[in-house]
Amino acid sequence: DADVTQTPRNRITKTGKRIMLECSQTKGHDRMYWYRQDPGLGLRLIYYSFDVKDINKGEISDGYSVSRQAQAKFSLSLESAIPNQTALYFCATSRRSSGGYNEQFFGPGTRLTVL
Amino acid sequence: AQSVAQPEDQVNVAEGNPLTVKCTYSVSGNPYLFWYVQYPNRGLQFLLKYITGDNLVKGSYGFEAEFNKSQTSFHLKKPSALVSDSALYFCAVNNNAGNMLTFGGGTRLMVKP
Repeated sequence: DADVTQTPRNRITKTGKRIMLECSQTKGHDRMYWYRQDPGLGLRLIYYSFDVKDINKGEISDGYSVSRQAQAKFSLSLESAIPNQTALYFCATSRRSSGGYNEQFFGPGTRLTVL
Repeated sequence: AQSVAQPEDQVNVAEGNPLTVKCTYSVSGNPYLFWYVQYPNRGLQFLLKYITGDNLVKGSYGFEAEFNKSQTSFHLKKPSALVSDSALYFCAVNNNAGNMLTFGGGTRLMVKP
């Protein structure tokens, strides 16, 4: 979805380096998410944010941190990258809802390789 | 905890034939069910969802899915497959109190001419 952008699209880094992945959206959505995709495992939630001051851990948050700089921006950091963090990372957004019935809109992904 | 199973890693179908991609789920409370499609080097695109009401849900690109509460299934279907339907398909579930969408492992659909 062109309304959700991710930078960089590809990144190769070395073990122990700090790296930041950035996500921006122009959809005006309150909620933003970070997922990682591994073959055969589908997408797993790393962190999610319901607004600028509301950040929550997902299923696999260890080794990751996030920052919600504004409603439209949500960045994911790997403090000290390790090879098993090699994956495809997706940012997503959704409208606010009282339940989980709103679909999510995904960015194009960032392919991260940790050597 | 909620979960989704997509029992087939890959589904092969000839162009023009009907296709089915299977999904079963486990969730407490009422389920909200979603199908997404991923084309190569692209993010996931929303296809359709079931929230409540009619068990047969129609979505984008001629796809539909049938919610079956007794079998806890939400299979994706299309009457006539196109080569351009070849992609990776993900089923996902949330519940009416949940904040996290849980995805299945994905099924690769291959439509051959």
